[in-house]
Amino acid sequence: QSVLTQPPSVSAAPGQKVTISCSGSSSNIGNYYVSWYQQLPGTAPKLLIYDNNKRPSGIPDRFSGSKSGTSATLVITGLQTGDEADYYCGTWDTSLSVWVFGGGTKLTVL
Amino acid sequence: EVQLLESGGGLVQPGGSLRLSCAASGFTLSSSDTSWVRQAPGKGLEWVSLILGSGGDTYYADSVKGRFTISRDNSENTVYLQMSSLRVEDTAVYYCATRRDPRERDYWGQGTLVTVSS
Repeated sequence: QSVLTQPPSVSAAPGQKVTISCSGSSSNIGNYYVSWYQQLPGTAPKLLIYDNNKRPSGIPDRFSGSKSGTSATLVITGLQTGDEADYYCGTWDTSLSVWVFGGGTKLTVL
Repeated sequence: EVQLLESGGGLVQPGGSLRLSCAASGFTLSSSDTSWVRQAPGKGLEWVSLILGSGGDTYYADSVKGRFTISRDNSENTVYLQMSSLRVEDTAVYYCATRRDPRERDYWGQGTLVTVSS
């Protein structure tokens, strides 16, 4: 299993809000910066959030990230059908000296 | 515009070797931390290896330690992943990803498929 824990799936209706959690420990999320990625089927991961809560240019503000202690959260508001994808959190584990990812969360927009 | 282009994937028999390349344009890999990340069919993302821009220290996932080697050619602005003693479970799309600083954004390539099968 993954070092970072994410719910396997979440769902919500178009226009609604969804929250995806990412739980870790003091050696990873608690001590380093968290990134979030969106992966559409058959495509490479796309960076949504870096440094816990920053968005790269071109990422709409419907996507936001936060971190508290050893957990991080991705919030997507105003859901669109095009948001259906797998979402991954990732960070560096300072004790293991490895990069760790969550197992991924499949978002379904009903 | 930053672009990363992976190449070198293909079909290889178990026990064989392959070298992947990650060539960058619009970005200097010698001053960046570059990772290889893989994704087996139907599975999640798995980090494989990292080479630091400063000092060139390298790190590996336990699953590939001793079999894979990451390196960089600054003159070619390219990072490599030499894979040996390949196993069926190494079958995956391999992505390279890079960033200048842990607090800056990263950039990803489109991936190259490695299939290990007899």
